[in-house]
Amino acid sequence: EVQLQESGPGLVKPSQSLSLTCSVTGYSITSNYWGWIRKFPGNKMEWMGYISYSGSTSYNPSLKSRISITRDTSKNQFFLQLNSVTTEDTATYYCARYSSYIYWDYFDYWGQGVMVTVSS
Amino acid sequence: DTVLTQSPALAVSPGERVTISCRASESVSTGMHWYQQKPGQQPKLLIYGASNLESGVPARFSGSGSGTDFTLTIDPVEADDTATYFCQQSWNELTFGSGTKLEIK
Repeated sequence: EVQLQESGPGLVKPSQSLSLTCSVTGYSITSNYWGWIRKFPGNKMEWMGYISYSGSTSYNPSLKSRISITRDTSKNQFFLQLNSVTTEDTATYYCARYSSYIYWDYFDYWGQGVMVTVSS
Repeated sequence: DTVLTQSPALAVSPGERVTISCRASESVSTGMHWYQQKPGQQPKLLIYGASNLESGVPARFSGSGSGTDFTLTIDPVEADDTATYFCQQSWNELTFGSGTKLEIK
């Protein structure tokens, strides 16, 4: 069974970088695509970006200057780094497997999510 | 960005049929997908490609629509269906709706 688990600090100071890890079991990250999504207080959800089976990346244009998604295939993990955070980056962050078929791109397995608060 | 609009909330009784709508600001063809999120849990994929039932999801759930108007139907509704339901489109980048909170009376 495919399982994903996010980890990382729950509190980040403004202007610093937010770094999260997604550990995947039951499936290799060298197959499929793997993404990050966040849910803000009030329910708005935002796709942040993904990393492909080959290591290529795609990012939400609204975040492109601040975001980086990388991976460690030996540990079957992928990572999110978001730079220069503000209080508006306070959200629950999810990692998910991203499946692509025709033009249907959707998230079929999700981690439990990790709440990150940006505050001094 | 393609904006997806959902009604904020619905309340129905067990055994009834409920339809949850999602309207796109521009055509997304059949690139619409539906998720269920129960309190304290991660989202769960229910429907992909507008009308395809994800493996393991009860047949009480169904999806329809194309272009700009989409519907998730639950028939019959059960108490365990209390959750927020999100739509997500994949035709123009990836965007999500704001969610419909379903209450079972």
